[in-house]
Amino acid sequence: GAGVSQSPRYKVAKRGQDVALRCDPISGHVSLFWYQQALGQGPEFLTYFQNEAQLDKSGLPSDRFFAERPEGSVSTLKIQRTQQEDSAVYLCASSLPKGTLNTEAFFGQGTRLTVV
Amino acid sequence: EDQVTQSPEALRLQEGESSSLNCSYTVSGLRGLFWYRQDPGKGPEFLFTLYSAGEEKEKERLKATLTKKESFLHITAPKPEDSATYLCAVLYDYKLSFGAGTTVTVRA
Repeated sequence: GAGVSQSPRYKVAKRGQDVALRCDPISGHVSLFWYQQALGQGPEFLTYFQNEAQLDKSGLPSDRFFAERPEGSVSTLKIQRTQQEDSAVYLCASSLPKGTLNTEAFFGQGTRLTVV
Repeated sequence: EDQVTQSPEALRLQEGESSSLNCSYTVSGLRGLFWYRQDPGKGPEFLFTLYSAGEEKEKERLKATLTKKESFLHITAPKPEDSATYLCAVLYDYKLSFGAGTTVTVRA
């Protein structure tokens, strides 16, 4: 597709349930990012992949959060034993590095996770 | 720690009433400052990248400028369709650090 695609768009999970959020980046984009956006706030960095390598996972809030990108394209963000504080919009972005810089990151529509 | 602060939090404008949004940042070695527009229920949409003090970029009714400590997004003669949240972000290493955004509402 032409843009970054995320699924599902909305997810309601019961507390303690595991969830998996999917991201299809723009074809050919090497870099992939996951961000978490709370209501009324800007996106907060979670993790970064370059191809299939996860180079930075410093923003993941706890060991319940896990991300993978096994073939360097589609990525999945998994949250185990969801808690109410995990409720947020999860955004995926991809970009094409230009030398040591990243060009502008293109964002998907996000997945709104509500934990009840 | 690098920080990005946007002001005001919210801005209500009459159609045609020009105004400016502010983004101040503290970062050592700015590698790029980005402006995004975000509509409700959607992901951020890229607007501009600025790399050095004195740089300016324009797109329709929007103009972004950059100094050593802050960036401004000027909205000239806004229309209702310019209503959105405008996010500023600084690039350090490979990741973006965002401000909380300014929500702009333009009334007809």
